[in-house]
Amino acid sequence: SQQGEEDPQALSIQEGENATMNCSYKTSINNLQWYRQNSGRGLVHLILIRSNEREKHSGRLRVTLDTSKKSSSLLITASRAADTASYFCATDASRQAGTALIFGKGTTLSVSS
Amino acid sequence: EAGVTQSPTHLIKTRGQQVTLRCSPISGHTSVYWYQQALGLGLQFLLWYDEGEERNRGNFPPRFSGRQFPNYSSELNVNALELEDSALYLCASSVRDTQYFGPGTRLTVL
Repeated sequence: SQQGEEDPQALSIQEGENATMNCSYKTSINNLQWYRQNSGRGLVHLILIRSNEREKHSGRLRVTLDTSKKSSSLLITASRAADTASYFCATDASRQAGTALIFGKGTTLSVSS
Repeated sequence: EAGVTQSPTHLIKTRGQQVTLRCSPISGHTSVYWYQQALGLGLQFLLWYDEGEERNRGNFPPRFSGRQFPNYSSELNVNALELEDSALYLCASSVRDTQYFGPGTRLTVL
């Protein structure tokens, strides 16, 4: 079953604009991760945020986590055409260490030049 | 450092056949996960192996099975293939909480 649900399902922006994607989940988590997938290939890990963290940055990426609302957001600033991809949030399936991930259905981002 | 590798890249089979997919984790990673990404169904957890043992499996029938070898590489076997098994099969390895994914194997069942 899907734990995370991304919103919007699809997003089209121009190069240089910011892109914001949201993720909601259902149960308590240890951490939440964001991944990128280009053209149906493997997933690239972007960032992991732990349940006791509220915000995390990595380059042009900013992730926030609100455990009270069971939601997270991924902000990509100054987007580039190369950011065109599908973005997924993933949460742990249980509180057990090393557990599997449950993915949302993803947001498809299209950045045009 | 080499990433997670998977073989083959693409595979075409017919209904009823059996298939074996292979995965080599990142050096030092002992856990291997298998996921299925079928069109319209998203990424679904299949199997988790750690230290040679199956730790958990997702909601898939028993014809999906696998194993992990002493060098931590892993195989995913699918018997009696059905059309709906057509999907991208992704393998991931992990240390602590982050899972690193391979490029996937695209399986087409005709």
